[in-house]
Formats: sequence, C-alpha cells, structure tokens
Amino acid sequence: QVQLVQSGSELKKPGASVKVSCKASGYTFTSNGVNWVRQAPGQGPEWMGWINTNTGIPTYAQGFTGRFVFSLDTSVSTAYLQISSLQSEDTAVYYCVRKYRNGYYMDVWGTGTTVTVSS
Amino acid sequence: QSALTQPRSVSGSPGQSVTISCTGSSSDVGSYNYVSWHQQPPGKAPKLMIYDVSKRPSGVPDRFSGSKSGNTASLTISGLQPEDEADYYCCSYAGSYTWVFGGGTKLTVL
Repeated sequence: QVQLVQSGSELKKPGASVKVSCKASGYTFTSNGVNWVRQAPGQGPEWMGWINTNTGIPTYAQGFTGRFVFSLDTSVSTAYLQISSLQSEDTAVYYCVRKYRNGYYMDVWGTGTTVTVSS
Repeated sequence: QSALTQPRSVSGSPGQSVTISCTGSSSDVGSYNYVSWHQQPPGKAPKLMIYDVSKRPSGVPDRFSGSKSGNTASLTISGLQPEDEADYYCCSYAGSYTWVFGGGTKLTVL
C-alpha cells in the first residue's frame, strides 16, 4: 500500500540545522509531487510548499523561503526537508504529504516528524 | 494567503449529524472546486476524508459528505459515532500550485 515513512524525532539547539526525510513506497515516486506541511503545537496545519518529483523544482509558500529547502533522491524514493538557523518557533510536527497525481489535493500523509528547538 | 476560517469546536451525540464550515475567499474556496477535508485523531497523522468538495476516497464511510456554496465549504457527518471524535481540517487549492489550510475544528462526540 502507499506509504510515506518519515525520519524520527529531532531535538536541536537554536541556530542548528535539521534534515527530515520522507521515504515513499507503494507507488512510482516520480509520478506524484510531495508537499511539506508544518503543524505547530495546538495549531492547524500550515502548507509550506511542495516539490515536483519529476522535475525537482520546488515551490515555497510565503514565510518559508530562505531557511527552508526541499530536495529529492529519486534513486531511493525519498524527499527531504532541510531547515537551517533553527528558531524556537520552528518547534512543530512536520509532515510530508503526497499530491494526488491528476488532481489538486493531497491524498496520503506521512508519519510526521517532531522537531523540537530548545537550548 | 490567510488561513481558512473554521469554528473552533462542534459537538453532537451519537447518531446525530454535525456540520463543519470552512470559509475562504474568492481567491481559494470561491474560485476552485478543490476543497478537501482531513481528519486527525488525537496524536495521529491526518487522513483524507473528502476531496474535490464532495468526493470520498475508497474506504471512507458515506456518513461523511461535503458541499460548497460561494466562499464557504462544509463537511457534514451524519450518524455520528464515537470514533469520529477528532480534529477536522479543510484545505483549498489557491491557484498557481499553492494550497491553504483551515485552522481546524475539534469534534466532540458527547
């Protein structure tokens, strides 16, 4: 079945960087885009952007430019989210979410990765 | 983009129906029939329940239905069951391959 399995929880100090992975299985990785979504504690999801897995071209939402980078390794069907210069406000659960191939919605959520930024 | 507006909470007794609204603008909900709804049980990842305003993915009970009028989309859950208790989020396509989520609604089954 279609699955998106993410890397484990991270505890980082302010100013550090983190790289979250999202490994896809059960479908052809390059057929569907991958979205990234942030959910801060007690808050709703916030769309961060997405990456076209066929071209490798990322699109970033307002507020997620500069410190946030989406990347791919198609040889292992994995998408990555890297966040640099971490701040306490980056503490959240980060989800990768598959974009349905021929539509404008997200259909499969990843397992989520908790990133905690604390000194 | 501003987040879509949802009520903070709704509640209902088993067997009853509840409706959750999701209000956007003419730039998102009002312009596209690409509203989806996602259910998030406590401590778990969200799950797609409705897409393209009113379509259900395979495996989602037909107790869940969606609709849209103008800039407002709605999710209706009929025949409430205890396992429906969760947070519900709407999401709309906003053009140019961008999306926006709602702030979420906590559904309590009394």
